[in-house]
Amino acid sequence: QRVVTQSPSASASLGASVRLTCSLSSGHSRYAIAWLQQRPEKGPRFLMKVNSDGSLTKGDAIPDRFSGSSSGTERYLIISSLQSEDEADYYCQAWGTGIQVVFGGGTKLTVL
Amino acid sequence: QVQLVQSGAEVKKPGSSVKVSCKASGGAFTSYGFNWVRQAPGQGLQWMGGIVPLISSSVYAQNFQGRVTFTADKSTSTAYMVLSSLQSEDTAIYFCATVQWDVSGPFDHWGQGTLVTVSS
Repeated sequence: QRVVTQSPSASASLGASVRLTCSLSSGHSRYAIAWLQQRPEKGPRFLMKVNSDGSLTKGDAIPDRFSGSSSGTERYLIISSLQSEDEADYYCQAWGTGIQVVFGGGTKLTVL
Repeated sequence: QVQLVQSGAEVKKPGSSVKVSCKASGGAFTSYGFNWVRQAPGQGLQWMGGIVPLISSSVYAQNFQGRVTFTADKSTSTAYMVLSSLQSEDTAIYFCATVQWDVSGPFDHWGQGTLVTVSS
């Protein structure tokens, strides 16, 4: 059983909002995760850390359009007012006792 | 905030080794743990392990144990990753990424990546 699972793809229209999900396996409901953005041909960029209680720590200069939340074993990345530059791969990263460091398979976001 | 600059692209023969560097600036080198992550062409991110220079302690992902070595030079604020016994499957972009005070935590700063191509 994978520790973190993501849907492989998502799409939303320009100017709309989208919610991406990172699912933790059972037994890891208290783990925090990090959301990373990887634009085409670029390295990953840290967006935010999402704690199990829903509190956030955002990265440097991350726009307010990017937010996160938590519910049970799900961690969410919410992007509002979608822009073309948001088209990217989004990864969740988890860490902790017994799992070391793991990445989800990534969600490819298409902005229509 | 810390900035990470990695060494340039490498082309290696199968069976050889590669050494990739990650130079940090803009922050206290020993306040970070340095992780290494690779991304094969068209694939996702794979954690390899990392080092905490403050205590010279390394951790290794099971898939790479015995084939990868992490070091850090405090005098030049540079972390290194050496991967040996290279095979074509090791062709990938290799990234360094930092965590505050540890290797376990959110990877909040990333290097630009180093392309390693393994080809005969």
